[in-house]
Amino acid sequence: EAQVTQNPRYLITVTGKKLTVTCSQNMNHEYMSWYRQDPGLGLRQIYYSMNVEVTDKGDVPEGYKVSRKEKRNFPLILESPSPNQTSLYFCASSVIGNEQFFGPGTRLTVL
Amino acid sequence: ILNVEQSPQSLHVQEGDSTNFTCSFPSSNFYALHWYRWETAKSPEALFVMTLNGDEKKKGRISATLNTKEGYSYLYIKGSQPEDSATYLCAFIGGTSYGKLTFGQGTILTVHP
Repeated sequence: EAQVTQNPRYLITVTGKKLTVTCSQNMNHEYMSWYRQDPGLGLRQIYYSMNVEVTDKGDVPEGYKVSRKEKRNFPLILESPSPNQTSLYFCASSVIGNEQFFGPGTRLTVL
Repeated sequence: ILNVEQSPQSLHVQEGDSTNFTCSFPSSNFYALHWYRWETAKSPEALFVMTLNGDEKKKGRISATLNTKEGYSYLYIKGSQPEDSATYLCAFIGGTSYGKLTFGQGTILTVHP
């Protein structure tokens, strides 16, 4: 089944404790992206990747890192999480320029 | 940050009503506009990818039009059903960076039986 998977789905952590949210797709898509969703603000793009080893900032990249060492994986790294990074995070993938396929979401709470 | 606006923010209609909502985006440097449907507790799912001025796309009772010169797109739902209740999102992609998507805040549609 074609899909985008994210792990973990739910995470409660404390300020400053490094964490990684994994994202994997099995559709051989070149493009992958991370978004956060906050009430009243819609989906905002954090980082995206047009292909392996190519990443670019979205609108809200501060406090996040990404890497794209393999085509199928695009992890989101929070080196020192803060409470303002409490949010619902979505990973997505696509053929470049085409519709995006979203993962199930990761709900992160930073205390 | 680009300005992509959707209106109305929310909409309540009765089953059987037809409805439409708007996505406004920058009229310069256009590459594509996406529409997504997002049901509560699920992930957004693509409805349409629109690239050409004057594009009209249709999927069942849902259709969309695109005007890139004036910077807007309409989404229409004919004969709304309760299962159409969802948040409808548009996403603008500009011509300078094909990977960068800017989403509107969404229109929350509630269809009452």
